[in-house]
Amino acid sequence: AQSVTQLGSHVSVSEGALVLLRCNYSSSVPPYLFWYVQYPNQGLQLLLKYTSAATLVKGINGFEAEFKKSETSFHLTKPSAHMSDAAEYFCAVSGSAGNKLTFGGGTRVLVKP
Amino acid sequence: GAGVSQSPSNKVTEKGKDVELRCDPISGHTALYWYRQRLGQGLEFLIYFQGNSAPDKSGLPSDRFSAERTGESVSTLTIQRTQQEDSAVYLCASRFDRGLQETQYFGPGTRLLVL
Repeated sequence: AQSVTQLGSHVSVSEGALVLLRCNYSSSVPPYLFWYVQYPNQGLQLLLKYTSAATLVKGINGFEAEFKKSETSFHLTKPSAHMSDAAEYFCAVSGSAGNKLTFGGGTRVLVKP
Repeated sequence: GAGVSQSPSNKVTEKGKDVELRCDPISGHTALYWYRQRLGQGLEFLIYFQGNSAPDKSGLPSDRFSAERTGESVSTLTIQRTQQEDSAVYLCASRFDRGLQETQYFGPGTRLLVL
């Protein structure tokens, strides 16, 4: 079975500060990993994904994530937070449980001015 | 092009009533998924359709839940005899069938409230 753990259900950062959202996964096969963002009352939007082409993945809105197999991690970062980054972020994995995505519990980001 | 659309956007119903939720996937996407998102929680997989193959129903929480898909287009999720614990946002997603690395594109969801 595969699973995803996101450390911290809520993260508060100051505008301009580093954003770091943690994601650890378990999978019995090489995984595909995704980060999605959900703005209030909207559906999920893909930020970036890891598909084994490169371990450092760059996404939209200045976000990036690094796949570390030895740590089974896929943490999401952004060097400088913007007010518009306030949203909920979900890490997900696919690969060993059929075709579905398995999601983490989500991390809600609050950006303080 | 058009994204995944879902209707209705909001649905309020009384306990015990049946509800039907609709999903229109992106044209050309042969894979279609339904997920449920309860308040303050992550997404739970419900069901997956792929072309003419038998759907993967492993995530359906009870026999009150069912879903159908017409060919490679519209899908409907039906909840019979709704219960208050069915209150959630129901999200539909679709993707190309070129492998698990393909992105699932999500619709805006249907927010269901069972009174």
